[in-house]
Amino acid sequence: GEDVEQSLFLSVREGDSSVINCTYTDSSSTYLYWYKQEPGAGLQLLTYIFSNMDMKQDQRLTVLLNKKDKHLSLRIADTQTGDSAIYFCAEGDDKIIFGKGTRLHILP
Amino acid sequence: GAVVSQHPSRVICKSGTSVKIECRSLDFQATTMFWYRQFPKKSLMLMATSNEGSKATYEQGVEKDKFLINHASLTLSTLTVTSAHPEDSSFYICSARQGDTQYFGPGTRLTVL
Repeated sequence: GEDVEQSLFLSVREGDSSVINCTYTDSSSTYLYWYKQEPGAGLQLLTYIFSNMDMKQDQRLTVLLNKKDKHLSLRIADTQTGDSAIYFCAEGDDKIIFGKGTRLHILP
Repeated sequence: GAVVSQHPSRVICKSGTSVKIECRSLDFQATTMFWYRQFPKKSLMLMATSNEGSKATYEQGVEKDKFLINHASLTLSTLTVTSAHPEDSSFYICSARQGDTQYFGPGTRLTVL
């Protein structure tokens, strides 16, 4: 069945780049998404990428898509304390499938 | 793991009628539940945060009089789409928070004729 997997934890020093990885199984999805969940809050859409793109950059965020390997990554440049959150990878058109989320911890 | 259910899974209604969607946490208590709506390209958009025993907090642009949320118990939140119109047709998903983890319901497909 459809599945989205991502590592559960990532620790990064402030100022370094964070790279959160995700693998998915449904290659027919038109879009793939990254959501951010701050403590106590709901999911907020961070960015998305169209499936025929390899890369999308939006300020400090870079999304890379390897469709052959069904691998999606989110890179956050110059990681700040405000980036501390849980990041969810998701894919799907009609039904959205979420990963379990990666908790990003920022080290001083 | 924790399970969240939604009822109904699909509903078709006539324009002008109201539809109630239920979200239940089956094996845990959730003081906070979230309601999302799925839009093409934008995927899930948070509509509101539902807190047990208090008024829901709505996101900017979401009409609170149109999308009524009631979180009457620690295991149940309801979303009522009032005076539904065809543009309200969408996929509505709830989630329930346990600690720092969110558990998603399977979603409700609403079609307004």
